[in-house]
Amino acid sequence: DAKTTQPPSMDCAEGRAANLPCNHSTISGNEYVYWYRQIHSQGPQYIIHGLKNNETNEMASLIITEDRKSSTLILPHATLRDTAVYYCIVDDYKLSFGAGTTVTVRA
Amino acid sequence: DADVTQTPRNRITKTGKRIMLECSQTKGHDRMYWYRQDPGLGLRLIYYSFDVKDINKGEISDGYSVSRQAQAKFSLSLESAIPNQTALYFCATSESGQISYNEQFFGPGTRLTVL
Repeated sequence: DAKTTQPPSMDCAEGRAANLPCNHSTISGNEYVYWYRQIHSQGPQYIIHGLKNNETNEMASLIITEDRKSSTLILPHATLRDTAVYYCIVDDYKLSFGAGTTVTVRA
Repeated sequence: DADVTQTPRNRITKTGKRIMLECSQTKGHDRMYWYRQDPGLGLRLIYYSFDVKDINKGEISDGYSVSRQAQAKFSLSLESAIPNQTALYFCATSESGQISYNEQFFGPGTRLTVL
């Protein structure tokens, strides 16, 4: 059973911020929110994770709502190379990938 | 990133054949995983191992077996391959320790076709 809900697809203009939503209303207190992406058919790549607080790294920012029932991944300046399937995952020690959001960055 | 390698990268086999997919890692991680991905879908967990003596079934283990030969090696076997096992297979690793933090590192994948 999927623990997360994501839109199937979204487009983004190159250079603009991409905001990827994820709902995880059944998340439990010790479960992290992870984001991975998969470019074409390559192995998925870790982007970021968080528990309660907002997080930022060199790739993206993660905003988690106070009730932890949803989150948003922000790619601050999308490039064509960010075109990929983005997976939002909630789990404690093993990852369950849903269908993800196919993000297409357009020039 | 060659920290996680998979062999072969591509394989075509026939129904009923036994086939082994191999995964090796140089990251020094204790935990290793096998996933399969069907076209247009996300990854599904087949088996996972938290250390050399620990093997666990994942979401879709039927028709598969695994062997953890060493910390660095985790093999996936299809005892008698069938066409619906045609898929892209990924191996992954992660550190042990903080059980609630699980960043996984993936290999490049093995594309398996069963005729």
